[in-house]
Amino acid sequence: QKEVEQDPGPLSVPEGAIVSLNCTYSNSAFQYFMWYRQYSRKGPELLMYTYSSGNKEDGRFTAQVDKSSKYISLFIRDSQPSDSATYLCASFSGGYNKLIFGAGTRLAVHP
Amino acid sequence: SAVISQKPSRDICQRGTSLTIQCQVDSQVTMMFWYRQQPGQSLTLIATANQGSEATYESGFVIDKFPISRPNLTFSTLTVSNMSPEDSSIYLCSVRLTYDRIGSYEQYFGPGTRLTVT
Repeated sequence: QKEVEQDPGPLSVPEGAIVSLNCTYSNSAFQYFMWYRQYSRKGPELLMYTYSSGNKEDGRFTAQVDKSSKYISLFIRDSQPSDSATYLCASFSGGYNKLIFGAGTRLAVHP
Repeated sequence: SAVISQKPSRDICQRGTSLTIQCQVDSQVTMMFWYRQQPGQSLTLIATANQGSEATYESGFVIDKFPISRPNLTFSTLTVSNMSPEDSSIYLCSVRLTYDRIGSYEQYFGPGTRLTVT
């Protein structure tokens, strides 16, 4: 079993839709949860970062962590074609431990 | 945040040669990492290059193939040695920033080096 599982998609939605991207993880020690956005032929860009359980909102993006079910979510409201990218969830337990990535979900928002 | 630059941005190399990739960060960081991303795949950690210590390699990666230097807190190099077509990939430099005493962490990535081996 992979430590971080993510459905690779692809996911195709119309412009303006609410997008829900999800990951599960298996390591109870994970405390830090990150979402990256990666456009084609670019490096991953840190989008959202949360510590422990709860929600964090930044503009149209909301990151949610449920440690009881080991579930990580990223919601995108009013999705735009410019949101079309691959979204990677990642987690680690802190310190010098390595960041573990999910497979990445490819999202396409069509006009 | 951190601004990371990599050189070269892309290269086409012949089998059997070596390529050194440079990574420059705009601030001093302790933790620096090198990743590989093969087409359509997620990121795979090659090694951790903390300043002042030898690089730590992940399973499947060895120092003879991927030697790393970390001469200071803002710079690192990764060499891909004796290349074969299987080494064709994107190589990414990454740094982890630590904030305050409870250890808030953020990890940032460079733009990547796209390597093609013929």
